[in-house]
Amino acid sequence: DVQLVQSAAEVKKPGESLEISCQTSGFLFTDYWIGWVRQVPGKGLEWMGIIHPGDFGVKYSSSFQGQVTILVDTSINTAYLQWKSLKASDSAIYYCARHGLAAADPISYWGQGTLVTVSS
Amino acid sequence: QSVLTQPPSVSGTPGQSVTISCSGSSSDIGRYAVNWYQQFPGTAPKLLIYETFKRPSGVPDRFSGSKSGTSASLAITGLQSEDEADYYCASWDDSRNVYVVFGGGTKLTVL
Repeated sequence: DVQLVQSAAEVKKPGESLEISCQTSGFLFTDYWIGWVRQVPGKGLEWMGIIHPGDFGVKYSSSFQGQVTILVDTSINTAYLQWKSLKASDSAIYYCARHGLAAADPISYWGQGTLVTVSS
Repeated sequence: QSVLTQPPSVSGTPGQSVTISCSGSSSDIGRYAVNWYQQFPGTAPKLLIYETFKRPSGVPDRFSGSKSGTSASLAITGLQSEDEADYYCASWDDSRNVYVVFGGGTKLTVL
């Protein structure tokens, strides 16, 4: 079975850095595009970007380009979402999202979500 | 503000049929397939319809998708109380470095 297991909730202060993770199993990690979707509680879904673990190609939404970094570690089939300097507006639930073999394929599998709270 | 436009809410009674619309443009829905996601409170979204009209295994055939031009629709027939959820349409747009575009979501209430 395909599984995407995300790291636990985080509480951080503005200006701090953060990395959340998404450990995957049940599929060939290097074949599929994988990325992140943001959801502010009570609001809609916002697609952030994806990475292809096979060649490390990355596509960022223009809304998130330069704000976050998407990485993978192919040795442990894990994807990461990094911030260098958090803002209060980064407070949201972040979902790990596995696309298909092509970047434009739908998100077939989702992680359980990681709640990030940024507050002074 | 979402790229794709959905009604904020729709409602129906058990057994009825409802339709959720999703309006886009020539660079997204007009060019690419549409996917629909279902999300229950406190849970991750789930793929409901892909490639405009296909259903993943396990999705009842009460759910169907269609597209015409730059608009798409999700139809739900034989409405059941367990269908009460948020529904999001999504498509692809690589013309402006946005890639995946979502609708704002539609809250379905089963009265």
